[in-house]
Amino acid sequence: DGGITQSPKYLFRKEGQNVTLSCEQNLNHDAMYWYRQDPGQGLRLIYYSQIVNDFQKGDIAEGYSVSREKKESFPLTVTSAQKNPTAFYLCASSHGTGGYEQYFGPGTRLTVT
Amino acid sequence: GEDVEQSLFLSVREGDSSVINCTYTDSSSTYLYWYKQEPGAGLQLLTYIFSNMDMKQDQRLTVLLNKKDKHLSLRIADTQTGDSAIYFCAESAHQAGTALIFGKGTTLSVSS
Repeated sequence: DGGITQSPKYLFRKEGQNVTLSCEQNLNHDAMYWYRQDPGQGLRLIYYSQIVNDFQKGDIAEGYSVSREKKESFPLTVTSAQKNPTAFYLCASSHGTGGYEQYFGPGTRLTVT
Repeated sequence: GEDVEQSLFLSVREGDSSVINCTYTDSSSTYLYWYKQEPGAGLQLLTYIFSNMDMKQDQRLTVLLNKKDKHLSLRIADTQTGDSAIYFCAESAHQAGTALIFGKGTTLSVSS
């Protein structure tokens, strides 16, 4: 079955700790994305990657970092510099950037206390 | 700049039709999408329309596009309680290096 997996579904961390969210896809897509979703704010783009070893900042990249060492994987690290990290994080992928439809993973709910 | 606007809430009764509206600003948008998000889940691609089309129908879903007014709508016929979800409109200019632009989502509530 082709798809996007995110793990874990729920993640709890103490304030001041870095945490890495996993995203894996087996759709052979070149592009991958990370979004943050807060109630009433829709989706906000954190980072995206068009190809391996390349990524661009989205609208709210501060306090986050990513890597793209493999086509299938695009992990997101939420650093201690992110002021309000508690949110629902969604990963997506597409054949390319631009007009291609994006396919989403099931999301990770991160709670930082 | 690019922006996608949607009304935030819509409430309908089971069996009625639902119409969710969206306006976008990028006149070069070539594809427009509708996604559905159920509680606690990721987004599911429902349907899309190419900018040279006026209408697309897929079972209970009808998408209408008014390119002149940059207005997109999603009609769900015979709305069911299982249709209760958040619906997102998204646009893309089909330029390499750009991501989809999403609206804030419309929460559809279906009562029996």
